[in-house]
Amino acid sequence: AQSVTQLDSQVPVFEEAPVELRCNYSSSVSVYLFWYVQYPNQGLQLLLKYLSGSTLVESINGFEAEFNKSQTSFHLRKPSVHISDTAEYFCAVSGVNFNKFYFGSGTKLNVKP
Amino acid sequence: GAVVSQHPSWVICKSGTSVKIECRSLDFQATTMFWYRQFPKQSLMLMATSNEGSKATYEQGVEKDKFLINHASLTLSTLTVTSAHPEDSSFYICSARTFYNEQFFGPGTRLTVL
Repeated sequence: AQSVTQLDSQVPVFEEAPVELRCNYSSSVSVYLFWYVQYPNQGLQLLLKYLSGSTLVESINGFEAEFNKSQTSFHLRKPSVHISDTAEYFCAVSGVNFNKFYFGSGTKLNVKP
Repeated sequence: GAVVSQHPSWVICKSGTSVKIECRSLDFQATTMFWYRQFPKQSLMLMATSNEGSKATYEQGVEKDKFLINHASLTLSTLTVTSAHPEDSSFYICSARTFYNEQFFGPGTRLTVL
């Protein structure tokens, strides 16, 4: 079985500052890794994913995440956040058969002006 | 990207009644659909996995007689919360997996049981 740990439940940050949301996972088998974003009263939207290949993956809105197998981490970063990035971010892991997704407890990113 | 819809988006019901939630893949066929539950300020917990035409597989601790899942077609799965009680109030989210193993999430259904 897999599990995901997001150590930070809330991350306050000022607009245009950099941010890192941490995600660590545990698994005895190969996994795929995902970051989802959830805006208030909405469902999940895929932000980015790592399946294979380059360990650094990017989203269209400036977020990036790096898969680190030795540290079993998939931290999400953005060099300069915007007010509109305020949301809750979930890290998730699945087996390579995409059979089940396991989610972390989520990190609320609060971007202040 | 592929679209998954849920209906209703929000429902309030009295204790003891049953509520049906629909999950549809609008522009693709879903080999598998998943149902999740999200409590306030918590993460999503997988409740069950359903494959078209077969019985759903429930996660440990989820009452199959309480949460009835029907996957009638490759584009529709339903979750029925039977004899709902206030503790069943939650945000229910479905996801659908394509033939290419991509998974897309619905917008969720907020259930409030009075």
